[in-house]
Amino acid sequence: GDSVTQMEGPVTLSEEAFLTINCTYTATGYPSLFWYVQYPGEGLQLLLKATKADDKGSNKGFEATYRKETTSFHLEKGSVQVSDSAVYFCALSDPTGYSTLTFGKGTMLLVSP
Amino acid sequence: NAGVTQTPKFRVLKTGQSMTLLCAQDMNHEYMYWYRQDPGMGLRLIHYSVGEGTTAKGEVPDGYNVSRLKKQNFLLGLESAAPSQTSVYFCASKKRGGEETQYFGPGTRLLVL
Repeated sequence: GDSVTQMEGPVTLSEEAFLTINCTYTATGYPSLFWYVQYPGEGLQLLLKATKADDKGSNKGFEATYRKETTSFHLEKGSVQVSDSAVYFCALSDPTGYSTLTFGKGTMLLVSP
Repeated sequence: NAGVTQTPKFRVLKTGQSMTLLCAQDMNHEYMYWYRQDPGMGLRLIHYSVGEGTTAKGEVPDGYNVSRLKKQNFLLGLESAAPSQTSVYFCASKKRGGEETQYFGPGTRLLVL
């Protein structure tokens, strides 16, 4: 079945540092790929997405590129802020089914001033 | 637009008790989903519905039942709660076709003693 593997956390960074959170996937067909973010005590919010190979999703300074050849969708940000502290989930959706999401286990990001 | 709402926000149950979690969405979405979130496990799909009167099992359906009598509501029931069902439950909804994004509610935290 489909699966998503993302790096374990917590990832601890100082403000303005560069962020990478790795995500790789296994899927049949051509899934859409997502990054969701969960701030403390809240639900999940869509951060960015990509629906086909070589697409780049971007939002709020975060970027991720859909790499079919390496089955990866790594999340990057050039300069993190304290307000970026949250849990980040990589997920995939099979558009040929009913778009159920398969999630990675989540990566906690802690940014200190 | 309230988006996706969940009731209640928090509940404590004793083993063997029953309860129903309510999810409501005002976006006229056809698809609705129930996930549970456990530490270190990410989110896992319990059940989903692709339309009024239809439901289907997800990855971890045992111990839960669902109903979708109205398009805007998706109910998750626990007939006889067990400590293993202590979790945070998230509901999500999505428009049928095209746009792949699921929109999440704020979650219900359930503690089974």
